[in-house]
Amino acid sequence: QVRLQESGPGLVKPSGTLSLICTVSGDSIINSDWWSWVRQTPGKGLEWIGEISHSGSTSYNPSVKSRVSMSVDTSKNQISLKLSSVTAADTATYYCARPQYTNAWTPVEWFDAWGQGALVTVSA
Amino acid sequence: DIQMTQSPSSLSASVGDRVTITCRASQNVRNYLNWYQQRPGKAPKVLIYAASSLQSGVPSRFSGRGSGTEFTLTITSLQPEDFATYYCQQSYNGPRTFGQGTKVETK
Repeated sequence: QVRLQESGPGLVKPSGTLSLICTVSGDSIINSDWWSWVRQTPGKGLEWIGEISHSGSTSYNPSVKSRVSMSVDTSKNQISLKLSSVTAADTATYYCARPQYTNAWTPVEWFDAWGQGALVTVSA
Repeated sequence: DIQMTQSPSSLSASVGDRVTITCRASQNVRNYLNWYQQRPGKAPKVLIYAASSLQSGVPSRFSGRGSGTEFTLTITSLQPEDFATYYCQQSYNGPRTFGQGTKVETK
């Protein structure tokens, strides 16, 4: 059974860079086409940040596109998230998630596996 | 972005009640609609995908219906472990977006 685990600093200073790693166990990263990051704040709820393929292709939410980067390390079975120029509005619980797809010509995507979440607070 | 709006934002119910939550999309999302349950301190867990397909391992008291812009999640007989927050999510177009959540509380 696949397990996802987020890790990284829980406190980041304003204007700094948030960095998180998601370690995947129980399955290989290359067995899923894409891996996503989702964050959750009390104010904005659940927000999809973006996704990365096991080959390194990315797609980002326009709301954070200018500040976000994702990377993948298949040798370590890890994906990473970096968010620059953070403010208090970036304080959130960050999740990595794995999508699944229906077997259809135009497949429906849903997230069937999530990490436990990493709370990151932006504060001086 | 496609906006997802859930109603109600919260509801009070008792064990054994039938509960229905509605999710409306700001534009047609066909059947690209998923439902998640989230308990406090835990990650979301998928219940229903593609509007009406039950995720493996999820009890059959959960069901989903709808297509286009209007969807419902129904719990036929509420159990103690079902008191949680429920979210809809579209994966049809643009960034994936979630509803604001519906909290199911004890009456």
